[in-house]
Amino acid sequence: GAVVSQHPSWVICKSGTSVKIECRSLDFQATTMFWYRQFPKQSLMLMATSNEGSKATYEQGVEKDKFLINHASLTLSTLTVTSAHPEDSSFYICSARGVEREGLYEQYFGPGTRLTVT
Amino acid sequence: GQNIDQPTEMTATEGAIVQINCTYQTSGFNGLFWYQQHAGEAPTFLSYNVLDGLEEKGRFSSFLSRSKGYSYLLLKELQMKDSASYLCAGMDSNYQLIWGAGTKLIIKP
Repeated sequence: GAVVSQHPSWVICKSGTSVKIECRSLDFQATTMFWYRQFPKQSLMLMATSNEGSKATYEQGVEKDKFLINHASLTLSTLTVTSAHPEDSSFYICSARGVEREGLYEQYFGPGTRLTVT
Repeated sequence: GQNIDQPTEMTATEGAIVQINCTYQTSGFNGLFWYQQHAGEAPTFLSYNVLDGLEEKGRFSSFLSRSKGYSYLLLKELQMKDSASYLCAGMDSNYQLIWGAGTKLIIKP
């Protein structure tokens, strides 16, 4: 089956530093990847849609200069949290959209990255 | 606007059956998804419905009524490991998932 990996699985960084999170589709090509954020006791919130070879589309309220997304290949998208602050501490999850199959686009989720900013 | 509604929390007994309801409003419709999420983990895919009716997959079944904008997830023979949040998500005309807040299911022995 389709597998999506994320690296790192957890990271602790100091306030003001930048953190890069990688999302890879291991056995399929993903033209579209999604980045989500989940705060404790809240549902997943879509941050941005990443299309290979083009600029990401950010959801309202998400700062594109703070959350840099690069989808350089069909199997890799990266999210860089720049100048991280404690309020950016969250669980970041990526997903990759599979090919259309009888009208179905399933999304395959990565295991998530827990970011803690001290 | 787009909206997904599902109960915040439900409690059920091990071995019993529980039904989690979901109503949706999306701009266009390309299917209704159910995901399971354990605390601290990413969601995992449970089911997808795009046509009306019941889809059965082992202990889990999912139902859809497009005319009513309604779906439910049915879990049978509940096990303690089924304690998790269950997320309902509608796919809109742009193939984006619109998420509900999730239903926390608590299983008691």
